[in-house]
Amino acid sequence: LAKTTQPISMDSYEGQEVNITCSHNNIATNDYITWYQQFPSQGPRFIIQGYKTKVTNEVASLFIPADRKSSTLSLPRVSLSDTAVYYCLVGGGSGGYQKVTFGTGTKLQVIP
Amino acid sequence: DTEVTQTPKHLVMGMTNKKSLKCEQHMGHRAMYWYKQKAKKPPELMFVYSYEKLSINESVPSRFSPECPNSSLLNLHLHALQPEDSALYLCASSRGLAEDTGELFFGEGSRLTVL
Repeated sequence: LAKTTQPISMDSYEGQEVNITCSHNNIATNDYITWYQQFPSQGPRFIIQGYKTKVTNEVASLFIPADRKSSTLSLPRVSLSDTAVYYCLVGGGSGGYQKVTFGTGTKLQVIP
Repeated sequence: DTEVTQTPKHLVMGMTNKKSLKCEQHMGHRAMYWYKQKAKKPPELMFVYSYEKLSINESVPSRFSPECPNSSLLNLHLHALQPEDSALYLCASSRGLAEDTGELFFGEGSRLTVL
């Protein structure tokens, strides 16, 4: 199973772009990369998912280099409400179900 | 409907009690999961059901007993728990079909306190 490594914490000022990088050196060919956001005492919430290159949705962008051994979640113009823990997970694509395990996550603190 | 609903939101129980946590989804997903999350820690996988069959048990103590009565429902039966079992219990689902990309849909969790 691919293991992920992320920075434990990051600080950013409001209005800035935040980039959180995740390392997943032993990602499998059929694995997808998925990012989740979690607020205290709530369930994780899906942000974005990708397989290769770049994916963009209304809240974030995900950049995946050709070797897929890392990925970068980009949050444009963060606000105080983006203060949360962000998890990078790899898995999926093998059908049926997924033994999806969480890494330590990155605690993002947005400062006014 | 893209929701996973968990009940109850909060549960307090003694070490001799028997209680159950419930989870429901109506997205047609065929894989369902239980995670346990302690404060300031990432969620830990406990059980995975695929097509109503238990596929993964991450060496969880037998005082936790999962049940999947049908494709929409997932229960976690609790008996003789210890205070260290106090945590947020999260239910999730995924498509569980060949198109499953690992995207998990989580409920809001059940906060369990064992006295």
